Amino acid sequence: QKEVEQNSGPLSVPEGAIASLNCTYSDRVSQSFFWYRQYSGKSPELIMSIYSNGDKEDGRFTAQLNKASQYVSLLIRDSQPSDSATYLCAGSSSNTGKLIFGQGTTLQVKP
Amino acid sequence: SAVISQKPSRDICQRGTSLTIQCQVDSQVTMMFWYRQQPGQSLTLIATANQGSEATYESGFVIDKFPISRPNLTFSTLTVSNMSPEDSSIYLCSDGTYYNEQFFGPGTRLTVL
Repeated sequence: QKEVEQNSGPLSVPEGAIASLNCTYSDRVSQSFFWYRQYSGKSPELIMSIYSNGDKEDGRFTAQLNKASQYVSLLIRDSQPSDSATYLCAGSSSNTGKLIFGQGTTLQVKP
Repeated sequence: SAVISQKPSRDICQRGTSLTIQCQVDSQVTMMFWYRQQPGQSLTLIATANQGSEATYESGFVIDKFPISRPNLTFSTLTVSNMSPEDSSIYLCSDGTYYNEQFFGPGTRLTVL
């Protein structure tokens, strides 16, 4: 099993809809989880961090962490075409604390 | 978060040559990291740049190929040595700490012919 897994997509949603991005992780990853947004040709930009079970909301973004199911998700409400990007899920290695990235999910928001 | 800059932003190099990438942070940071992002792929950690000591390399990356310097708490360089087309990637530096957030520089897009 990969340490951090994401569906590569693309995930296509209409403008104004909720986009749901999912990520699962192995036992080798724990404690800290992050969502990065990467526009084409740009570097990753941190949009959410989550450290404990439950939901964390920031504007239109909600991160959800379920440690029992080893599952992290990112919800984007009222999706906009400007949200079209690749979203990278990352977790910290249980042993070293270094970040391990998933392959990323490409989101397309259609006007 | 600190502001991170990288130079060059992009370069096209010939096989067999070397390129040094600079990473500058606008405030002192404890840890700096170097990543590679190959075309269409995710980020892979190359090494942790340690101030005042040798870098700590990840499995599959060696100092002879990717020498790293960290002379102070705001600056680091990564050299890609004896380049081949397989080294064509985006190289990213970041700052942060273990188990916590990391913030990335704008990246260096390298093409090796």
